[in-house]
Amino acid sequence: DGGITQSPKYLFRKEGQNVTLSCEQNLNHDAMYWYRQDPGQGLRLIYYSQIVNDFQKGDIAEGYSVSREKKESFPLTVTSAQKNPTAFYLCASKADGYTFGSGTRLTVV
Amino acid sequence: QKEVEQNSGPLSVPEGAIASLNCTYSDRGSQSFFWYRQYSGKSPELIMSIYSNGDKEDGRFTAQLNKASQYVSLLIRDSQPSDSATYLCAVPVRGNTPLVFGKGTRLSVIA
Repeated sequence: DGGITQSPKYLFRKEGQNVTLSCEQNLNHDAMYWYRQDPGQGLRLIYYSQIVNDFQKGDIAEGYSVSREKKESFPLTVTSAQKNPTAFYLCASKADGYTFGSGTRLTVV
Repeated sequence: QKEVEQNSGPLSVPEGAIASLNCTYSDRGSQSFFWYRQYSGKSPELIMSIYSNGDKEDGRFTAQLNKASQYVSLLIRDSQPSDSATYLCAVPVRGNTPLVFGKGTRLSVIA
């Protein structure tokens, strides 16, 4: 089955801690994206990558970092510089429109 | 003007009625338009894409595009309680760039 796998489903972060969200796809798509969704809000773009070893900042990149060493993988690190990280994080890859993973819900404790 | 704008709702319709969801966008040069459905606590799923002016039908769903008015809509015929969800409109508003999403319209279908 082709698709996008995000892990973990739930993640808890302590103050000052960096955490990494995993996103893996077996759809052979070149472009991958990270969005953040806050309650009652639409999706806001964090980072995107259109090809291996290249990525671009989105609208709210501050406090986040990414890498794209393999076509299949696009992990997102939420750093301690991100002051309000509690949100639902969605990874997507591009076909006709986007295909989304099931998301990671991050909470600061 | 916001890049992609939707009424937040909630929009309530009785079961069996037609639900009409609307979206306006700012970039006159946009060429592709997408509607996603998102159930509470879940990720969005693509339900319709449209590229040309006019109507595109898929089962109970019809997308309507009017590029001159910068307006795209989604009609859901014979609405069912299972259609109750938030519907997101998405447009690449700056050329071949990532999709920009509206905040979504929450639809409630009352049995």
